[in-house]
Amino acid sequence: GESVGLHLPTLSVQEGDNSIINCAYSNSASDYFIWYKQESGKGPQFIIDIRSNMDKRQGQRVTVLLNKTVKHLSLQIAATQPGDSAVYFCAEGISGGYQKVTFGIGTKLQVIP
Amino acid sequence: DAGVTQSPTHLIKTRGQQVTLRCSPKSGHDTVSWYQQALGQGPQFIFQYYEEEERQRGNFPDRFSGHQFPNYSSELNVNALLLGDSALYLCASSLVLGNSGNTIYFGEGSWLTVV
Repeated sequence: GESVGLHLPTLSVQEGDNSIINCAYSNSASDYFIWYKQESGKGPQFIIDIRSNMDKRQGQRVTVLLNKTVKHLSLQIAATQPGDSAVYFCAEGISGGYQKVTFGIGTKLQVIP
Repeated sequence: DAGVTQSPTHLIKTRGQQVTLRCSPKSGHDTVSWYQQALGQGPQFIFQYYEEEERQRGNFPDRFSGHQFPNYSSELNVNALLLGDSALYLCASSLVLGNSGNTIYFGEGSWLTVV
């Protein structure tokens, strides 16, 4: 299938290591943030989200950190596996009313076996 | 529980032609949004439909139009296709719940190639 990660920043990590993917968002009014995983030829898959009234949220093997002061978001993946290889996008939105999100540039994660 | 489904998965059109893409939202969702994703880029918001009306629109020309049906499914129409319209078109669904930020789920997309 077609790749969506041809010219994206790339992060290479060894299998079993932890991965940290960073994202800077632009809109100070955004209060809802989501991380998506996109594999080649597929649509974005929801990983985890966080509201602006939180600075940390944990899921299964993933943690999202939010720093509103510097408008920075990060996704931490514990014990990275080959199946984690994909392009990761952060997205920002404003809750209330109709949901629309704005996507960041994306980071390609390559897991080295 | 079916997720967001889109059709067709792949199609090829000629410059100047028109295309219609279809989307069924996740069960229980009432809001459908369409995004365009060019190769190597993040998805860009086209427009959003709720209660059969366009509620928000991104920076796309009028050649891009849509429709939402009473069963919440939606169509994206693009007229007078240009080579630059070649992209992955993504449908996303969510549920309007007032002041809550709700999870937005995406379909697998429709790959459009304009030749």
